[in-house]
Amino acid sequence: GDSVTQMEGPVTLSEEAFLTINCTYTATGYPSLFWYVQYPGEGLQLLLKATKADDKGSNKGFEATYRKETTSFHLEKGSVQVSDSAVYFCALSDRGSGGSNYKLTFGKGTLLTVNP
Amino acid sequence: KAGVTQTPRYLIKTRGQQVTLSCSPISGHRSVSWYQQTPGQGLQFLFEYFSETQRNKGNFPGRFSGRQFSNSRSEMNVSTLELGDSALYLCASSLEGTGTGGEQYFGPGTRLTVT
Repeated sequence: GDSVTQMEGPVTLSEEAFLTINCTYTATGYPSLFWYVQYPGEGLQLLLKATKADDKGSNKGFEATYRKETTSFHLEKGSVQVSDSAVYFCALSDRGSGGSNYKLTFGKGTLLTVNP
Repeated sequence: KAGVTQTPRYLIKTRGQQVTLSCSPISGHRSVSWYQQTPGQGLQFLFEYFSETQRNKGNFPGRFSGRQFSNSRSEMNVSTLELGDSALYLCASSLEGTGTGGEQYFGPGTRLTVT
C-alpha cells in the first residue's frame, strides 16, 4: 500500500537558518504530493503541492520538488522565521480506479522549532 | 469563502457512550473525508464520502460510521466509546475533478476526550 516516510525530528533551528525536511514515498499509482502545516491547537493547512514529476510547489518561501526517480518530495526554506514553528506533514494522494483522489496518506510529522 | 467548519470543537464523553461529530465543507465541495489524529498513530484515514456515498474506508472498527447529506454536510458517529478513541478528529473537504490535484482542506478539528 501507499506510505510516506519523513524525518521525525524534532528540528530546532535559529532564525534565518536553512531548513530541509526529508520526505520519501511509496505509491502504486500516480500520486499527487503535498506538504501540510499544523500550528498548535489548529487543523492542517495546505502549504504546497505538486501533481506530477518534476513539478515544484512553492508558497511563503517554502519549496518542494516532485522527484519521481528518487520518490522524494523534500521541503526546503532558505531562511526560517520564528513564526514558521509548527508541525509539518508530508502527504500523498493516490488516484483510485475511478480516476479521482480519495484519501491522503500522511507521514508522521516533523516538529520544527525556530528560536530567535 | 468560508472554510471547513466542525462542531463541536471540544467534547468529553464517558467510556461506553456514543458521540456524533459534524462537519460542513467549503461551499461547492462535494467530497468530505474524516481523519483521526493521535500522538501514537499520527493521522489515519477513517472514510470519505461523495454525493452521499461512502467511496473509501480506512481500517477502523465498525463502531466508527459516517454519513453525508444532500447539502454535502457530513457527520461521523462513534458508538461504545473506548479510552483509545480519545483523539483529534479532522474533517477535510475537496473539490472533485481529475484536474484539481486532490488537495484537501481541513477544518480545525474536534478534540474528543473519553474518560
